Amino acid sequence: EPEVTQTPSHQVTQMGQEVILRCVPISNHLYFYWYRQILGQKVEFLVSFYNNEISEKSEIFDDQFSVERPDGSNFTLKIRSTKLEDSAMYFCASRRGGSYNEQFFGPGTRLTVL
Amino acid sequence: DAKTTQPNSMESNEEEPVHLPCNHSTISGTDYIHWYRQLPSQGPEYVIHGLTSNVNNRMASLAIAEDRKSSTLILHRATLRDAAVYYCLIMEYGNKLVFGAGTILRVKS
Repeated sequence: EPEVTQTPSHQVTQMGQEVILRCVPISNHLYFYWYRQILGQKVEFLVSFYNNEISEKSEIFDDQFSVERPDGSNFTLKIRSTKLEDSAMYFCASRRGGSYNEQFFGPGTRLTVL
Repeated sequence: DAKTTQPNSMESNEEEPVHLPCNHSTISGTDYIHWYRQLPSQGPEYVIHGLTSNVNNRMASLAIAEDRKSSTLILHRATLRDAAVYYCLIMEYGNKLVFGAGTILRVKS
């Protein structure tokens, strides 16, 4: 069964450093998402991406964040200058076309900012 | 974003059915009801979704009230592997998912 994959599973970085989190969505999916979950808190929407552009972003997704689909398979989240409060699990999700179809989530990347 | 209300936690015995309720009184006519679950240390996992009619799949059943202001996720025979946080979400056109705190389901052997 196809699945969303994410790398790395755990990333440790120093405050102020740039990180890139990578995702490989399911191959025939058209819509891509990033969510995050701070330890013990709710899953929060960050950004949605369709047709090579951002379709919606949350207040969390400020200028420090960017997303890219550099080729036909990868979907990346970049944090330019990490802060302590960026420490969280980051989940990538994808879905096929159609207005209300389900999203498939990856296993997540745990980001620890020291 | 349409809001949902779920109990904080529920407990079930293994091999028994579980009914997880959700209230969504502000749902609009075209919004879908989605259920996801999150097992410990994993990403959210899709369970089921529906609009008006009751729905069944291999994981669960979804019973939707006639006025659509509430729904119930039914696990027909709970197993220890079903212990998770269950989220009821309203998917509006545009499709971001807005997660609440969900219901923590504990399954006793």
